[in-house]
Amino acid sequence: DQQVKQNSPSLSVQEGRISILNCDYTNSMFDYFLWYKKYPAEGPTFLISISSIKDKNEDGRFTVFLNKSAKHLSLHIVPSQPGDSAVYFCAASTISGGSQGNLIFGKGTKLSVKP
Amino acid sequence: DSGVTQTPKHLITATGQRVTLRCSPRSGDLSVYWYQQSLDQGLQFLIQYYNGEERAKGNILERFSAQQFPDLHSELNLSSLELGDSALYFCASSVVGISNEQYFGPGTRLTVT
Repeated sequence: DQQVKQNSPSLSVQEGRISILNCDYTNSMFDYFLWYKKYPAEGPTFLISISSIKDKNEDGRFTVFLNKSAKHLSLHIVPSQPGDSAVYFCAASTISGGSQGNLIFGKGTKLSVKP
Repeated sequence: DSGVTQTPKHLITATGQRVTLRCSPRSGDLSVYWYQQSLDQGLQFLIQYYNGEERAKGNILERFSAQQFPDLHSELNLSSLELGDSALYFCASSVVGISNEQYFGPGTRLTVT
């Protein structure tokens, strides 16, 4: 049973436009969410995170939105650049109580940004 | 560069063999995590160590084991290898705190023939 789902295997956008990557989760115990970017032949690179006590976190061109009632989060990239072309993974974990849990990953969305 | 190193980068071995994958975490990170990425699966959590002790176990087979040494580097041992064990194995590390950003190494690609 997949606890973290990324329903779009791929997404193609034009350079300069907005990229929106979506992620749904089922486990209400998750309280920390992360996005990773992965290029071929490299390890995942941490991009941005959000705690469940927030509904938005922004870092430069990247913004993550969290809708707890819908168990949904999204990553917005504005403006999109060709160098953003990569596979994006959504991940969730439980860190309440001072413990640090492992990450549960979605299967990823391949983003292609066309010049 | 995440600061997490993994060796070797590639490993080709035969079924039934045993291999050891090595990981050095970022300086100061006490937690080490191992993940497996197969072709048709996402990243699957295998096991976590914190300051030398096993903290959590995921979908790790009994043929696999890991340990974290006093210098905090970790090793993942895979034995009685099967074709289906061919995958990318990633190590990640993190600082214990109120966040859970994990920093990943470049991975070891294991091919079992």
